[in-house]
Amino acid sequence: SQQGEEDPQALSIQEGENATMNCSYKTSINNLQWYRQNSGRGLVHLILIRSNEREKHSGRLRVTLDTSKKSSSLLITASRAADTASYFCATDASNTGNQFYFGTGTSLTVIP
Amino acid sequence: DAGVIQSPRHEVTEMGQEVTLRCKPISGHDYLFWYRQTMMRGLELLIYFNNNVPIDDSGMPEDRFSAKMPNASFSTLKIQPSEPRDSAVYFCASRPAGGPKTQYFGPGTRLLVL
Repeated sequence: SQQGEEDPQALSIQEGENATMNCSYKTSINNLQWYRQNSGRGLVHLILIRSNEREKHSGRLRVTLDTSKKSSSLLITASRAADTASYFCATDASNTGNQFYFGTGTSLTVIP
Repeated sequence: DAGVIQSPRHEVTEMGQEVTLRCKPISGHDYLFWYRQTMMRGLELLIYFNNNVPIDDSGMPEDRFSAKMPNASFSTLKIQPSEPRDSAVYFCASRPAGGPKTQYFGPGTRLLVL
């Protein structure tokens, strides 16, 4: 499977702490995106990092990409209860046309 | 824009019945995707369309599943006959041509087959 694998599967932290989740994938990619899914809702795009980038920031989000290890990490700083959600990475693989491959997701719980 | 619209939001049906899920993509988006999400299998791509034409349906689990896109603003996913193992949340997503391929998801249809 070309799916990404997120790690950990579940993460529980206190409000104000940082949350880090990781994604590993298998093939060469054009870019990698992170999505959030609140309970009972659809996925929402958070941030994109291209294959020639190593780090990207957006507000409290920081994404890193290591193409040599085929891995990415998403860091949420100063977490809030509203960050409670599942987080998915999605890879735009270089040789698969228009398809995305979503990972298995990390379920984040931020305790107020 | 209202975003991707899906209907119904919830569907409860009995095994053997026909189920039709509907999706209206964001206006101007050339690609439409149908996904299924379950706890066991995660998010699975079932089929996607480009300019109303099905491009890849390799994710459609069985012949009981079919999808159509008669025009740029409407798509259906049909299950006939439905089975309890089809119970899942079905998402529709769309995106414009070109660019980074960011997909915009609808709110999903939660299907329960009894």
